[in-house]
Amino acid sequence: AQSVSQHNHHVILSEAASLELGCNYSYGGTVNLFWYVQYPGQHLQLLLKYFSGDPLVKGIKGFEAEFIKSKFSFNLRKPSVQWSDTAEYFCAVNIYNQGGKLIFGQGTELSVKP
Amino acid sequence: EPEVTQTPSHQVTQMGQEVILRCVPISNHLYFYWYRQILGQKVEFLVSFYNNEISEKSEIFDDQFSVERPDGSNFTLKIRSTKLEDSAMYFCASSGLAGEEDTQYFGPGTRLTVL
Repeated sequence: AQSVSQHNHHVILSEAASLELGCNYSYGGTVNLFWYVQYPGQHLQLLLKYFSGDPLVKGIKGFEAEFIKSKFSFNLRKPSVQWSDTAEYFCAVNIYNQGGKLIFGQGTELSVKP
Repeated sequence: EPEVTQTPSHQVTQMGQEVILRCVPISNHLYFYWYRQILGQKVEFLVSFYNNEISEKSEIFDDQFSVERPDGSNFTLKIRSTKLEDSAMYFCASSGLAGEEDTQYFGPGTRLTVL
């Protein structure tokens, strides 16, 4: 069965620190990969996605993620976080080109101290 | 920018009662989904709906659950006889814009509390 693991449950950083949130998935075939963000009191918003092509994808608000197929990983990065990045971050996958269910990781809560 | 909307934002019900959670997907989207998140746990897939029928459902989606698209805009999740363990945040999502079929957009969620 497919699964998604996020290594960090809660990350605390100071403003301007660099961020990397880990995400690994288990599935032998081709997947689509997503990062969603949920700001306090708001709904899940798409941060970025990878379907195919360049494994380094850029999303909104300065976030990027790199797909490493050999490691089944899709880590999220940001070179310099801001207090407004405080949120919960979810990695998710679905099966390529099937428009199907998303399998989510357990989420990582990011707290950025001003 | 088009958004998925959900009502109500919070629903409190007694165990054994029926609840209907409502969603208005993004116009022109073709695929509709329900997910839930029990407090402190992962977001879990419940059901997907396409072309007026269920295309996939999870083990969670038992006979107590049903979905419907009663008109051209609403998408509903019904829980026939709620249990305490149904307490969760329920998210609706939609996808299906041409070329973006695999990208799902989520609503704000309905927090269901079963007493």
